[in-house]
Amino acid sequence: GAVVSQHPSRVICKSGTSVKIECRSLDFQATTMFWYRQFPKQSLMLMATSNEGSKATYEQGVEKDKFLINHASLTLSTLTVTSAHPEDSSFYICSARVTGQGNSPLHFGNGTRLTVT
Amino acid sequence: ILNVEQSPQSLHVQEGDSTNFTCSFPSSNFYALHWYRWETAKSPEALFVMTLNGDEKKKGRISATLNTKEGYSYLYIKGSQPEDSATYLCASPGRGSTLGRLYFGRGTQLTVWP
Repeated sequence: GAVVSQHPSRVICKSGTSVKIECRSLDFQATTMFWYRQFPKQSLMLMATSNEGSKATYEQGVEKDKFLINHASLTLSTLTVTSAHPEDSSFYICSARVTGQGNSPLHFGNGTRLTVT
Repeated sequence: ILNVEQSPQSLHVQEGDSTNFTCSFPSSNFYALHWYRWETAKSPEALFVMTLNGDEKKKGRISATLNTKEGYSYLYIKGSQPEDSATYLCASPGRGSTLGRLYFGRGTQLTVWP
């Protein structure tokens, strides 16, 4: 149980375009989901906390207008990279906790490799 | 932001060897410590969530200990197998942080040679 599905797994887009990444909890409800980013040889860096039915909470230094997060239901959060630039090329991964399970571990998607040309 | 450090960065061992690696974190405002295993082309998989000082958890050949007073956790693998090859991540939320809002170390990349 506790499966998180993330799509697409890989995307290549042109500079200036927008890309949407979906994160779904398949067999559990998640009022909160988390979006991480990883640069080569670096740790997973928390970008934002996605809250169902309310605004996302962004970490310091993450532009909320550039990385739009929508969490419209208890099982779906989306991250849209707007007006993508080559420096946005990175690995993005989402995660979620089972709602109401206290200090439980995160369940991760498989990640999305974004390449902006 | 919480500073979580892991060492070594990478490790190569022979099949059958036992190994261990370290995660260090700020001892003040400690809330919990997570360990994950991340195999190539897969999603990170939770191994342990530890909260109590002196806690020791075990899952098959893998075990972990926690020292919250000095701010470190060890992960041990007994009799390493090639299928143990993965990156092992530790993470901590810090007290007062939204549960699940984890700060990760860079990971220890383990390669087990047959």
